[in-house]
Amino acid sequence: QSALTQPASVSGSPGQSITISCTGTSNDVGSDKFVSWYQQHPGKAPKLMIYDVRNRPSGVSDRFSGSKSGNTASLTISGLQAEDEADYYCSSYTSYTTLVIFGGGTKLTVL
Amino acid sequence: EVQLVESGGGLVQPGGSLRLSCAASGFTFRSYEMNWVRQAPGKGLEWISYISSSGAAIYYADSVRGRFTISRDNAKNSLYLQMNSLRAEDTALYYCARTAAGGLDYWGQGTLVTVSS
Repeated sequence: QSALTQPASVSGSPGQSITISCTGTSNDVGSDKFVSWYQQHPGKAPKLMIYDVRNRPSGVSDRFSGSKSGNTASLTISGLQAEDEADYYCSSYTSYTTLVIFGGGTKLTVL
Repeated sequence: EVQLVESGGGLVQPGGSLRLSCAASGFTFRSYEMNWVRQAPGKGLEWISYISSSGAAIYYADSVRGRFTISRDNAKNSLYLQMNSLRAEDTALYYCARTAAGGLDYWGQGTLVTVSS
C-alpha cells in the first residue's frame, strides 16, 4: 500500500495563504475515515494540527483549516507567518490490513 | 500535563532484537489507544503499529508485521514495542503517540534505533 501523495514543497510570502494537498484512494482519504494533519519543525516531534478532516485541537491557530473533496484532503494556512515554516504530513485511517498511512510530507518555506 | 517518554533505543546488529518502552503520565493511560510511529533519518513519518486501550485490537504496518510486537501494561502506564529480526531499514527515530478522535494528539520525543554491523 502506497503512502498518501503530497507535494514535496510549497512556498509563500508572509501574510499569504497556501494549500497543501493530500491525495489517496477510496479506501482511505476518500472513505469515511479519519484524516489528520501534522506539523513538524526540525528536530522536534510532530504536532497535531487538524483531526477528523477539519477539526482543530485546542491551542492550534484558526489560521489552519482542513477540508476534503473526494480522495483529496487539503490543509490551508492563511496569513502565513515565519514560524509556519516546517514539514507538514497528512494521515488517514485505511480499509487495508494496515490501519494508518501517512503522506510523504511537504516542506513549507516562508519566503 | 501529558507526557510520553520513550526509551530502549540503541545500536543493534542486523538480525538482532530490541525492546522499546514508552512511559505515559498525566492522563488515564488505560482509556487511550496508542501507536508507534517511526522516522528514518531525513525521511518522512511511517506509522508502524496500533494497540487499543484494552490491548484486544492490534494492527501493524506491512513492513514490520511478523517481526515487531506491540503490547501495553495499563497497570504500569507503559507501552512497548518488541522488535526482532532487525534490518538496516529499521534504523529510525521511534515515537510513541496517543490516539484521540482519529488523530495522534500527543507524541513523545522519540528513541533512536540504529541497525548496523
